[in-house]
Amino acid sequence: AQSVAQPEDQVNVAEGNPLTVKCTYSVSGNPYLFWYVQYPNRGLQFLLKYITGDNLVKGSYGFEAEFNKSQTSFHLKKPSALVSDSALYFCAVRAREAGFQKLVFGTGTRLLVSP
Amino acid sequence: DAGVIQSPRHEVTEMGQEVTLRCKPISGHNSLFWYRQTMMRGLELLIYFNNNVPIDDSGMPEDRFSAKMPNASFSTLKIQPSEPRDSAVYFCASCGTGNTGELFFGEGSRLTVL
Repeated sequence: AQSVAQPEDQVNVAEGNPLTVKCTYSVSGNPYLFWYVQYPNRGLQFLLKYITGDNLVKGSYGFEAEFNKSQTSFHLKKPSALVSDSALYFCAVRAREAGFQKLVFGTGTRLLVSP
Repeated sequence: DAGVIQSPRHEVTEMGQEVTLRCKPISGHNSLFWYRQTMMRGLELLIYFNNNVPIDDSGMPEDRFSAKMPNASFSTLKIQPSEPRDSAVYFCASCGTGNTGELFFGEGSRLTVL
């Protein structure tokens, strides 16, 4: 079965420092990987996705993610964190079952950026 | 585009009452998903539809939960009777044909069952 794992419940970083939120995946075939962000009392918002091509994917709000096939990872990164980046981040993989597509989400990582 | 629209945004009800949550997907999207989010269990997929047909309802917790999609622009998630453990935020999401998997989420319906 397709799955993703987010090993950290929470990541703390100071404003201006680089941040990394980790995600590893387990899929059969080529992975379609996603990152979503959830701000308080809001729905999930799409940040970026990896389908094929360059291993470094750029997304919204200055975020990027690096696809690493050998390590089966898709870590989310940002060179300089902002306090406003504090939110819940979800990694997801597209799973294909019975001919239909659905997204399988990780457990989420809470990012706290301190001033 | 107005995005995925959910109602109500907040619902407080008493145990045993019927609860109906509503969702209007983005026009032209042919897949619709219902998720539930709690602190304890995270984000759970309850059911999803493709072209108004339920494809996978294995995530529906029990018979008290039911979902329908009578047409391409409307879906409901019903809980009858409701229980305190059903308290959660329920999200609806949609995506389109040929889409590489990007889901568009509504703002959620926060349900509190007393």
